[in-house]
Amino acid sequence: TQLLEQSPQFLSIQEGENLTVYCNSSSVFSSLQWYRQEPGEGPVLLVTVVTGGEVKKLKRLTFQFGDARKDSSLHITAAQPGDTGLYLCAGGGYGQNFVFGPGTRLSVLP
Amino acid sequence: ETGVTQSPTHLIKTRGQQVTLRCSSQSGHNTVSWYQQALGQGPQFIFQYYREEENGRGNFPPRFSGLQFPNYSSELNVNALELDDSALYLCASSPAHRQGPNTEAFFGQGTRLTVV
Repeated sequence: TQLLEQSPQFLSIQEGENLTVYCNSSSVFSSLQWYRQEPGEGPVLLVTVVTGGEVKKLKRLTFQFGDARKDSSLHITAAQPGDTGLYLCAGGGYGQNFVFGPGTRLSVLP
Repeated sequence: ETGVTQSPTHLIKTRGQQVTLRCSSQSGHNTVSWYQQALGQGPQFIFQYYREEENGRGNFPPRFSGLQFPNYSSELNVNALELDDSALYLCASSPAHRQGPNTEAFFGQGTRLTVV
């Protein structure tokens, strides 16, 4: 069974600070996706990474896929209150459905 | 194009009852997956439907069943509801049933089911 772990589980920071959240597994994934979920809503896809070592940037968000495709990180620069939410990583393999991690709940205080 | 829509948004049922949740997939998407998200956890895969047939199932008992219709909309049925079935049920549609590197899943807003 493929499992994903995310850390930290909770994170509360001040507006303007930087942060990194992690997604780790003992399994290899062909792709990994990051989602943000707000209360009462479904997850919204932020990015998909597919190549080991790949780095993708989305404005103030930087995503990295580990060289061995077992882990990933999400770095947010100068966090804003609008970044508040549950950040989920999901690993996918060909012919398999996505396996989600438990999420990191981020709170950015003004 | 329309996104993924789920109904109802909220539902309260009594233990032992049956419930049907509905999902309309995004235009052009032929694959629908259902997930259960318990409070404070990530979504757990229930099953996927492609071309009206079940195409993969997670670790859920047979009382969780589904259907997909010719227009690719889908239903999730849960029989003999238990208190632990209380969760947010998410539907996701995608344009392909095999998760390739460029396959994206688009989620609906979910149905919040409470079993009392």
